[in-house]
Amino acid sequence: RKEVEQDPGPFNVPEGATVAFNCTYSNSASQSFFWYRQDCRKEPKLLMSVYSSGNEDGRFTAQLNRASQYISLLIRDSKLSDSATYLCVVIKAAGNKLTFGGGTRVLVKP
Amino acid sequence: EPEVTQTPSHQVTQMGQEVILRCVPISNHLYFYWYRQILGQKVEFLVSFYNNEISEKSEIFDDQFSVERPDGSNFTLKIRSTKLEDSAMYFCASSEEELAGGSYEQYFGPGTRLTVT
Repeated sequence: RKEVEQDPGPFNVPEGATVAFNCTYSNSASQSFFWYRQDCRKEPKLLMSVYSSGNEDGRFTAQLNRASQYISLLIRDSKLSDSATYLCVVIKAAGNKLTFGGGTRVLVKP
Repeated sequence: EPEVTQTPSHQVTQMGQEVILRCVPISNHLYFYWYRQILGQKVEFLVSFYNNEISEKSEIFDDQFSVERPDGSNFTLKIRSTKLEDSAMYFCASSEEELAGGSYEQYFGPGTRLTVT
């Protein structure tokens, strides 16, 4: 089983709509969770950290479910500029390395 | 806004040649990393570096790879004898000292695209 799994998509989203997708992780000892955004052939950029209580940053909402070992990202009022690959990233309890999922591609269309 | 820089942006080399990829991390950061991303695949961790030594490395980071911080600003990745399968985008990242609770941000550079022919 992959350490971090994501639906690769693409999720085709009409502009202004809401889209949500999940990521599952296999290691129950995972401690920190993030969503990164990656544009085509560019570096990953941190979108938001994911906290146990859930957190919101503008149009983006992230949730963590430790019991079921998944995190989610919801994007409201999608903009054309939200088109990107969203990377689920996990850090285990010990160490600094980021473990990436394969990414979920989101395409926002007019 | 401070950023991680990498040079060159694109490197083409022949199989068996040595390459050195260069990175300048954010100046007050203490942890440094290399990741790679083969075209169409996920980002993979290679190595982390702290206090002038490797703190963690992956199975990918074999004897052909080495890292160095030759001065106070540069962080390099050397591949001694490149293989075709080393072709990938190589990202450098850096972070501040780990915060309480182990949650901190790693800032990525724009990457070096390595093409081995």
